[in-house]
Amino acid sequence: KAGVTQTPRYLIKTRGQQVTLSCSPISGHRSVSWYQQTPGQGLQFLFEYFSETQRNKGNFPGRFSGRQFSNSRSEMNVSTLELGDSALYLCASRTGPVQETQYFGPGTRLLVL
Amino acid sequence: AQKVTQAQTEISVVEKEDVTLDCVYETRDTTYYLFWYKQPPSGELVFLIRRNSFDEQNEISGRYSWNFQKSTSSFNFTITASQVVDSAVYFCALSEGTSGTYKYIFGTGTRLKVLA
Repeated sequence: KAGVTQTPRYLIKTRGQQVTLSCSPISGHRSVSWYQQTPGQGLQFLFEYFSETQRNKGNFPGRFSGRQFSNSRSEMNVSTLELGDSALYLCASRTGPVQETQYFGPGTRLLVL
Repeated sequence: AQKVTQAQTEISVVEKEDVTLDCVYETRDTTYYLFWYKQPPSGELVFLIRRNSFDEQNEISGRYSWNFQKSTSSFNFTITASQVVDSAVYFCALSEGTSGTYKYIFGTGTRLKVLA
């Protein structure tokens, strides 16, 4: 089975721009979670989607949003980028939003200048 | 509140030494899951192990072993005869269902450097 894939792998944007990141889960997995990883804050949960519905949300401003499509692929969007949004964004998938193990993708490294 | 503490920020060992990574967790739930992930320089988190709160048996997988002790709320990870390829950041995570779905809470990670 193919693993979780994320595109793009690297991205450079400037302050004020917006960005969309994409995540394709493992086949058969219907739950997708997003995390932000920075040296200062570590791994922080952004949100989780299951069957196209947001099931859980972390403590991030409304500039961070996401969605999930009927094929379980997910996108996250960050509007009005700030320098502090520079991070590794990780996507993880699992079969459902319960106790199954999450499997992570390679991440998207976003640099905001 | 749920919390995971990895007090060791960075550990350096010489190849073939044994090393133990500590993980202490806090939760009010009786049903929860604990995980260890490895993050090599490439960035992807690689799943290593999952334990549920009802299974306190220790686990051994090759050079890796895990010690789960509910009495001390700890889930420690030992690498025997470490190798350079073990160099990575290791994360411990807790998942519990107080919110209705099982959100993961990660520790801050322990950076392991294995020197040749």
